[in-house]
Amino acid sequence: AQSVTQPDIHITVSEGASLELRCNYSYGATPYLFWYVQSPGQGLQLLLKYFSGDTLVQGIKGFEAEFKRSQSSFNLRKPSVHWSDAAEYFCAVGFTSGTYKYIFGTGTRLKVLA
Amino acid sequence: DAGVIQSPRHEVTEMGQEVTLRCKPISGHDYLFWYRQTMMRGLELLIYFNNNVPIDDSGMPEDRFSAKMPNASFSTLKIQPSEPRDSAVYFCASSPRGGISRGYTFGSGTRLTVV
Repeated sequence: AQSVTQPDIHITVSEGASLELRCNYSYGATPYLFWYVQSPGQGLQLLLKYFSGDTLVQGIKGFEAEFKRSQSSFNLRKPSVHWSDAAEYFCAVGFTSGTYKYIFGTGTRLKVLA
Repeated sequence: DAGVIQSPRHEVTEMGQEVTLRCKPISGHDYLFWYRQTMMRGLELLIYFNNNVPIDDSGMPEDRFSAKMPNASFSTLKIQPSEPRDSAVYFCASSPRGGISRGYTFGSGTRLTVV
């Protein structure tokens, strides 16, 4: 069955530290991959996406993500976290089987210590 | 562009009442999605439309839920009768043609509380 897993429910990092949020998917082919961020009381904002080509993709707010086919992963990274990055992050997968709906992971809540 | 506009932002209603949530997608977007977010179940797709036509409503939890898209600029999600377990944040999102690869734009959501 198709699925998306974000194994970390909560992550706490200090401001200025590096960040990596994990995302794994289960699918027979390469899906469309996305990371979204949700600030409290807000909707989800698209950070970056991967469809094909270079497996390291750059997004907004200084985020990047790397697609690793062998590991079925699409981890989100940021070299230096800012206090304003505190939010919930969702990995989403779109499947190439004709449907236009995504499956979202359960989210990772990021806390940033000053 | 004003983005995806949802109304109301907050809705508190009594059990048994009818609730209508509204969404205005981004102009020119062909796809419209309704999601529900709860702590227990995360983000769940309820239904999505393509060119105003419902394509997949397999996520609609019960017959109490219905959604319509009478034209390209407006959609509603109705719950009748509402129950406390319907309390959640409901998001509308839209996407342009080719949207599966381009990502969704989400509205700010409607927080529904059924007491």
